Formats: sequence, structure tokens, C-alpha cells
Amino acid sequence: DGGITQSPKYLFRKEGQNVTLSCEQNLNHDAMYWYRQDPGQGLRLIYYSQIVNDFQKGDIAEGYSVSREKKESFPLTVTSAQKNPTAFYLCASSIGVTGANVLTFGAGSRLTVL
Amino acid sequence: KQEVTQIPAALSVPEGENLVLNCSFTDSAIYNLQWFRQDPGKGLTSLLLIQSSQREQTSGRLNASLDKSSGRSTLYIAASQPGDSATYLCAADNAGNMLTFGGGTRLMVKP
Repeated sequence: DGGITQSPKYLFRKEGQNVTLSCEQNLNHDAMYWYRQDPGQGLRLIYYSQIVNDFQKGDIAEGYSVSREKKESFPLTVTSAQKNPTAFYLCASSIGVTGANVLTFGAGSRLTVL
Repeated sequence: KQEVTQIPAALSVPEGENLVLNCSFTDSAIYNLQWFRQDPGKGLTSLLLIQSSQREQTSGRLNASLDKSSGRSTLYIAASQPGDSATYLCAADNAGNMLTFGGGTRLMVKP
């Protein structure tokens, strides 16, 4: 079945460490997105990519980095510069960024900083 | 900058009741308005997408309406069931899948 796989599901990090969250899709979608969700709040866009080797900052990109070397993969690195990284991270994809393209979401990765 | 608000933040109803979830947005220049469902600790599942030119969309017991002029959308759930218990989020699309999400309404349907 086609879908989006995020790993790990749970991740614990010590302060000062960088961590990378994986996102892989087999939907042949061009566009991929990373969102952050804090308790009781909606999602906020971190980064998005419309095509391989290209990505743009979203609303809260500071302290995060991404790469898009393959169409299927869009990993997110949470760097030590991110002051409050504990959150639920969601990856999504869509056919493109124009038009009414429905987003497909992964199951999420929960990051906790100890 | 688009702002999306969902009221109430939480709602508890008895099984079988019809209910309405509200979503308001400040910038009416939207491409579409989307409704999602999120189960605890899970990702989002798309429920309905209403294009800016449309007034409503229906899927089974769900009906979503859109009034751009007043900056409002509603999600109507008919004959609610315990399995409908989840958080429902709306999102406004102003720039081609650059969605602005509301904070969600946490729904509990009691048997």
C-alpha cells in the first residue's frame, strides 16, 4: 500500500544534540512538507519541498534543516539551535503545491528533549 | 497573515446527536478550506476539501460548508457515533497547499 513512513515514532534527545527524523513516501508525490504540532495547537509549517534538490522555509524554520536528495525522502534535522524542540512532528506529501491537492500525512514522530 | 480559529476547543455529546464544528478564518482569499481528523498520537486524515468556488462538500455522514464572505466553515456530523471521537482540524489554503491550521476541536461521543 502507498503511504508515508516516519521514523522513529518516539525519540529522546539530550540538550545540545542534533537529531534527524526520517520521512519516506512511495506515493510518487512531488511535494513534501514538515509540520510541528504542540499540545492543543494546530500544525505549523517548518519546511516544504516542491521538487528534488529544492526546498523553502515555512513559518518556523529556525533551528531546523532539511534535504531533498531523492523524490521519496525528506529528512528533517532538529539542531541544537532549536530552543524548544519537544513536540510532535508530522511529515506530509501531495501531488504538487498548486491546485486542490489533498495532503497525505505520516503517523508522526514524537521528540522529547531530556 | 491568515489566522484560523476553531471554537469550541472541546466538545462532548451523547451518541446519536447531530453536531456542528466551527472554523473561522481572517483572510477570505483562499484556494480551499480543508477538514482533517486526528486520532490521539496519530497523523491527520483528510476528510473534506471545499474549493473556494464551492459552498459545501459531503462525504457520508459528514457535510462541510464554506462561506468565504463571512470567513466561516462548518463541519456537520450527523448521527454521531463513539468512533467519531477524535480531534477535528480545519485548514485554510491561501497559497497552494501552504495550509494555516486551526487549533482543533476535540470531540468525544459518549455511548
